[in-house]
Amino acid sequence: ETGVTQTPRHLVMGMTNKKSLKCEQHLGHNAMYWYKQSAKKPLELMFVYNFKEQTENNSVPSRFSPECPNSSHLFLHLHTLQPEDSALYLCASSQMTGSGRRSGELFFGEGSRLTVL
Amino acid sequence: ILNVEQSPQSLHVQEGDSTNFTCSFPSSNFYALHWYRWETAKSPEALFVMTLNGDEKKKGRISATLNTKEGYSYLYIKGSQPEDSATYLCASPRGSARQLTFGSGTQLTVLP
Repeated sequence: ETGVTQTPRHLVMGMTNKKSLKCEQHLGHNAMYWYKQSAKKPLELMFVYNFKEQTENNSVPSRFSPECPNSSHLFLHLHTLQPEDSALYLCASSQMTGSGRRSGELFFGEGSRLTVL
Repeated sequence: ILNVEQSPQSLHVQEGDSTNFTCSFPSSNFYALHWYRWETAKSPEALFVMTLNGDEKKKGRISATLNTKEGYSYLYIKGSQPEDSATYLCASPRGSARQLTFGSGTQLTVLP
């Protein structure tokens, strides 16, 4: 099993659809992340879960809804998206130390390429 | 410098050439500097995590240096090979929550 697995790899959805992206990590890490990669922009952090608790929400629109049922799984629920939400969504995990304040290197999945029509 | 910045944006070199690129970051409240390599259709992969001023790390033909006082890091590739073609990202924890903030990357193409 690879370290961080994301499904689906590709997703096409209409603006009225509801879909979910799934991420699973097999590394025993205690923190998981969703990043967004839009064309010609740096990786943007969307959400951070530390010990299953959401610790960061970077002003992400409510049409993106994260869920972290346990420390190995992370979901991103999508509903009523806009075409400008089309992007590559990357999941990552890391080991947080220092009371959850210091992160080691991130381990990324291969991403879910989302197209919103 | 307020954000993490990388230069150049893209770079083409011939096989066998050595090359280097720059990551600039705010020098205040420095915690760490990460370098990642991102090959097309694969996941970004960590190369180095550096924390100490003057630190120098090496992995095969790739090495990196860190100057936290002036806020920059260099990544060097010696004797570039086509398999080194990738986007190289640097990132530094910023803000009170120490979120990893990424630069836009340097896209390296090594021509055979």
